[in-house]
Amino acid sequence: QKEVEQDPGPLSVPEGAIVSLNCTYSNSAFQYFMWYRQYSRKGPELLMYTYSSGNKEDGRFTAQVDKSSKYISLFIRDSQPSDSATYLCAMSRDTGRRALTFGSGTRLQVQP
Amino acid sequence: DARVTQTPRHKVTEMGQEVTMRCQPILGHNTVFWYRQTMMQGLELLAYFRNRAPLDDSGMPKDRFSAEMPDATLATLKIQPSEPRDSAVYFCASGPARALDGQHEQYFGPGTRLTVT
Repeated sequence: QKEVEQDPGPLSVPEGAIVSLNCTYSNSAFQYFMWYRQYSRKGPELLMYTYSSGNKEDGRFTAQVDKSSKYISLFIRDSQPSDSATYLCAMSRDTGRRALTFGSGTRLQVQP
Repeated sequence: DARVTQTPRHKVTEMGQEVTMRCQPILGHNTVFWYRQTMMQGLELLAYFRNRAPLDDSGMPKDRFSAEMPDATLATLKIQPSEPRDSAVYFCASGPARALDGQHEQYFGPGTRLTVT
């Protein structure tokens, strides 16, 4: 079983919809949680970064972390065709080792 | 606009040849990572440096892969000899030295797409 599980999709939604992307994890040592967006043939781009539990909002994006359930989410409001990409969750431990463990990514398609 | 740069962007080579990939981290970042991305395995960590010292290369096949940081502005990943199974996109990422607040974000380069025939 992988440490981080993520539904690969594809997830197809109409423009303007609210999108919910999720990851579950098994290692309780993870304390830092990130969401990356990756367009085709590009490098992953950091979208959101959260420490421990709670919510964080940035424009149309909201990241939620529920450590008790080992579950993280990314919500995208008013989704746009330009949001079509693969979204990867990533997490790391609270020690000096900063290597990230990634989910496999969810492919999102926003239909105009 | 500070970015991680990687060269070459594309590389096609024959099995058995040496491949060298280069990365310039964002100025001021003290951590550098090499990842490999394939459809089957997703993103996998190969090696990790802090202040130019290797901290973790457990994800790297030691017999053929090597990673170094000759200076703070250059990281290299070498494969010798290359094999078809090494075909993948290799990403370099760098992260800031914010030890006090523990921020762990990483910023990725555009990747090197390697094809070994």
